[in-house]
Amino acid sequence: ELKVEQNPLFLSMQEGKNYTIYCNYSTTSDRLYWYRQDPGKSLESLFVLLSNGAVKQEGRLMASLDTKARLSTLHITAAVHDLSATYFCAVQKPAGTYKYIFGTGTRLKVLA
Amino acid sequence: EPEVTQTPSHQVTQMGQEVILRCVPISNHLYFYWYRQILGQKVEFLVSFYNNEISEKSEIFDDQFSVERPDGSNFTLKIRSTKLEDSAMYFCASSAVEATNEKLFFGSGTQLSVL
Repeated sequence: ELKVEQNPLFLSMQEGKNYTIYCNYSTTSDRLYWYRQDPGKSLESLFVLLSNGAVKQEGRLMASLDTKARLSTLHITAAVHDLSATYFCAVQKPAGTYKYIFGTGTRLKVLA
Repeated sequence: EPEVTQTPSHQVTQMGQEVILRCVPISNHLYFYWYRQILGQKVEFLVSFYNNEISEKSEIFDDQFSVERPDGSNFTLKIRSTKLEDSAMYFCASSAVEATNEKLFFGSGTQLSVL
């Protein structure tokens, strides 16, 4: 069964600092997604990573995918308070299915 | 930007009652999903739906659950006899034709409380 784990589960960081969130998954998949969720809100798509070595950047966030290591990272550069949210990675179960398995989530709090 | 719409935003029901959660996916999307999130926990897959039939379902999606696309726009999740542990936020999602390369678009969710 496909398992998706994130670490850390909780992250409290100062504004201006850098940090990385890790997403590990247990079986082969070439597609990985990052979502952001604000408290009580829905999930907002951040990145879609479709191949090994894919790297995408949006503002202070950069995501990468290493399919050989079954690892994706979400790097935060010079954090600001507005980035406080829960971040989920999600992996699509092997091709031909329509099931996305979400990670455990990382709750990020950026302190002013 | 087009969005997935869910109604109601909150639903309170008594244990054993039936509930229907409604969703209007993005109009040109063909793949539909239901997920749920128990407070403070991760997002769990329930079911996916394509071409008027279930594509895949999880262990959570037992005989108490059913999905339907009664017309060209709505996508519903029915829970026949609710249990306390069904209390959660239920998210509908949809994706476009090339589902394997597309992100999911999520609705704002229905918070279901079973008393």
